[in-house]
Amino acid sequence: RKEVEQDPGPFNVPEGATVAFNCTYSNSASQSFFWYRQDCRKEPKLLMSVYSSGNEDGRFTAQLNRASQYISLLIRDSKLSDSATYLCVVNSGGYQKVTFGTGTKLQVIP
Amino acid sequence: GAGVSQTPSNKVTEKGKYVELRCDPISGHTALYWYRQSLGQGPEFLIYFQGTGAADDSGLPNDRFFAVRPEGSVSTLKIQRTERGDSAVYLCASSLKALAGTNEQFFGPGTRLTVL
Repeated sequence: RKEVEQDPGPFNVPEGATVAFNCTYSNSASQSFFWYRQDCRKEPKLLMSVYSSGNEDGRFTAQLNRASQYISLLIRDSKLSDSATYLCVVNSGGYQKVTFGTGTKLQVIP
Repeated sequence: GAGVSQTPSNKVTEKGKYVELRCDPISGHTALYWYRQSLGQGPEFLIYFQGTGAADDSGLPNDRFFAVRPEGSVSTLKIQRTERGDSAVYLCASSLKALAGTNEQFFGPGTRLTVL
């Protein structure tokens, strides 16, 4: 089993739609969780950290379910500019080493 | 301020040659990471430096790969006897020695390595 698993997509959604991505992780000792965004042929950039209580940043909501070992990202009112690959990232050690998922590609269609 | 920079942006080499890829992290960031990303995949961890020392090099695929960070700032990833399978984008990232839960990594634009 991969350490971090994501549905690669692509998810094709119309503007204004709500879309959700899930990511599962195998290491129950993982402590830190993140969503990064990567535009085509660009470097990854932090979108948001994921906290145990769940957190929201504008149209984006991230949640963590430790019992089932998954995290989710919800995007409301999708914009064309949201089109990108969303990478699930999990801390896999006691320090700063993290493991990236393969990414989920989102295409928002006019 | 300046972000993470990487040089060269593109490198084309022949099978069997030696290459060096350079990373200049954000000033003051003590943690530095190298990743390799192939098409359709997420970044794959190679090595992590805390200061000058390699805290974890478990991701280096074999002994043809080596990285240094002699003064705790700039890092060089070195690949000997390159193979076609080494072709990928090599990403460097840096972060502050973070407090718990604040491990944001800032990525450079990457070096696209092509081995012919």
